[in-house]
Amino acid sequence: NAGVTQTPKFQVLKTGQSMTLQCAQDMNHEYMSWYRQDPGMGLRLIHYSVGAGITDQGEVPNGYNVSRSTTEDFPLRLLSAAPSQTSVYFCASRHDRNGSPLHFGNGTRLTVT
Amino acid sequence: DAKTTQPNSMESNEEEPVHLPCNHSTISGTDYIHWYRQLPSQGPEYVIHGLTSNVNNRMASLAIAEDRKSSTLILHRATLRDAAVYYCILPIGSSNTGKLIFGQGTTLQVKP
Repeated sequence: NAGVTQTPKFQVLKTGQSMTLQCAQDMNHEYMSWYRQDPGMGLRLIHYSVGAGITDQGEVPNGYNVSRSTTEDFPLRLLSAAPSQTSVYFCASRHDRNGSPLHFGNGTRLTVT
Repeated sequence: DAKTTQPNSMESNEEEPVHLPCNHSTISGTDYIHWYRQLPSQGPEYVIHGLTSNVNNRMASLAIAEDRKSSTLILHRATLRDAAVYYCILPIGSSNTGKLIFGQGTTLQVKP
């Protein structure tokens, strides 16, 4: 199993550009989520999904869209990148909503200039 | 919402046991207690989780108080590689949402 795969590993955007961060898991996990981590700070939840077709907002959802058309994929879209979105983004999945641990991807380091 | 309280930082000597405390006085009966850690310049990784009984795995032990209002992560013999930020986490909202919110965690320093 590959686990949780995030692409790309690194990305540089100009202010106003849009892009999609990809996240895929091959563990048939019901729950998927996106976090961002700013330098020297903790992780903050952006959006999460409890199953295909179901998404909800986390702590810091503004400026991001998500969709969950399949169990495996949970892409994160930046609509119009801003320098404040410079961060490391982590995707995580878990088998169910309570009793299982989160599995994290290796992260995408995004810089917005 | 269940909230956790952890010390900002702790120090340990290499090869000694480390006890990392976490208070969660507002925990509900169905909330699992999760522990994760993040090594410098790496992504978070799962350490251990439990509901009521004490739990052991190859990385650590989790001791849960009888009233479940606190727990302790135990590293039996700290190594330099265990220097990391350790997060104690409970679900936010009902357990059914699955949301796990990370706080600031405890920064563990391990001295040789």
